[in-house]
Amino acid sequence: EVQLVESGGGLVQPGGSLRLSCAASGITFSNYWMHWVRQAPGKGLVWVSRINSDASNTGYADSVKGRFTISRDNAKSTLYLLVNSLRAEDTATYYCATGYNHAMDVWGRGTTVTVSS
Amino acid sequence: DIQMTQSPSSLSAFVGDRVTITCRASQSISSFLNWYQQKPGKAPKLLIYVASSLQSGVPSRFSGSGSGTDFTLTISSLQLEDFATYYCQQSYSIPFTFGPGTKVDIK
Repeated sequence: EVQLVESGGGLVQPGGSLRLSCAASGITFSNYWMHWVRQAPGKGLVWVSRINSDASNTGYADSVKGRFTISRDNAKSTLYLLVNSLRAEDTATYYCATGYNHAMDVWGRGTTVTVSS
Repeated sequence: DIQMTQSPSSLSAFVGDRVTITCRASQSISSFLNWYQQKPGKAPKLLIYVASSLQSGVPSRFSGSGSGTDFTLTISSLQLEDFATYYCQQSYSIPFTFGPGTKVDIK
């Protein structure tokens, strides 16, 4: 069974940083492009970032460009999102998802980031 | 950036009804359009990819159509478990934008 498990969320002050992780199992992780998507409380889905299978190509939403960094460790089957210079508007549940057939086909349960003083 | 719109933003329907949700892109995205279902407190679930391909395990009452800028998701006979919020998403170009969602609830 394919499983993605996010971790690393928490309460952080404005300007702070976190490293989110997404551990994959049940798949050959190195074959998949991966995405991060977030959802603020009571709001819709927002795509955040994508990385290709060998980490040679990344992409970001304008709202996080320069502050967030996506990376992966294929040997550990783990995806990361380093989130810096956090703002109140970054408060959200962050989901990781596998990219396949030009879609996001398997999703984790999410990890919650709360930015507040 | 490509903007995605959905209509309606919400709808009420009976079990057994045929339901259609529309998604429109601000520019042509060929067939790079996906549909997701999300229930409260749960992660999204992929229903349809590249406009009309049914994801494995998704009931055949769900179907998608369209190309270019205009797309539809149809539920042929609404079931209790289909009451949820539905999002379209374009995968034509970064940023991979989502529509604002359509909430389907019980009439």
